[in-house]
Amino acid sequence: RKEVEQDPGPFNVPEGATVAFNCTYSNSASQSFFWYRQDCRKEPKLLMSVYSSGNEDGRFTAQLNRASQYISLLIRDSKLSDSATYLCVVNMEGNKLVFGAGTILRVKS
Amino acid sequence: DTEVTQTPKHLVMGMTNKKSLKCEQHMGHRAMYWYKQKAKKPPELMFVYSYEKLSINESVPSRFSPECPNSSLLNLHLHALQPEDSALYLCASSQERHSSTDTQYFGPGTRLTVL
Repeated sequence: RKEVEQDPGPFNVPEGATVAFNCTYSNSASQSFFWYRQDCRKEPKLLMSVYSSGNEDGRFTAQLNRASQYISLLIRDSKLSDSATYLCVVNMEGNKLVFGAGTILRVKS
Repeated sequence: DTEVTQTPKHLVMGMTNKKSLKCEQHMGHRAMYWYKQKAKKPPELMFVYSYEKLSINESVPSRFSPECPNSSLLNLHLHALQPEDSALYLCASSQERHSSTDTQYFGPGTRLTVL
């Protein structure tokens, strides 16, 4: 079993749609969780950290379910500029981040 | 300011060459990282420096040699690379607060091609 698993997609959605990505992780001792976005041939950029209580930043909402070892990202009112690869990232121990393979989102007009 | 800079942006080298990748941050971060990313794959951790000391080496071949001259700089020395080492090399840094919320910020990467 992979340490961090994501549906690779691609998710093809129209502008204005709501889309959700899921991610599962294998290590129950994992301490912190993040969503990064990566545009083609660019570096990963932090989108948001994920907390047990859930957190929201504008059109983006992240949720963490420790019991099920599951993380989600919801994007509302999708924009063309949201097209990217979304990486689920788990801090397994110390400074060690483990990346999921990424979910490709394509928003079309 | 969450800027991590890397030079060069692109590098083409032969298998007998010696070259170095450079990374710099001025955010006062005390942890710095090297990652390797192949096309259509996620980044893979190579090395971690914490307070200028190597703390993690993910069984990276010795043809890759990291160096941390000071708290702001991180180098990756390359020697006798193979064509399969061609990839995007990403540097990152974090505050190293030994807490679960320590966040890593990435530089733009160096795209390396080994001929």
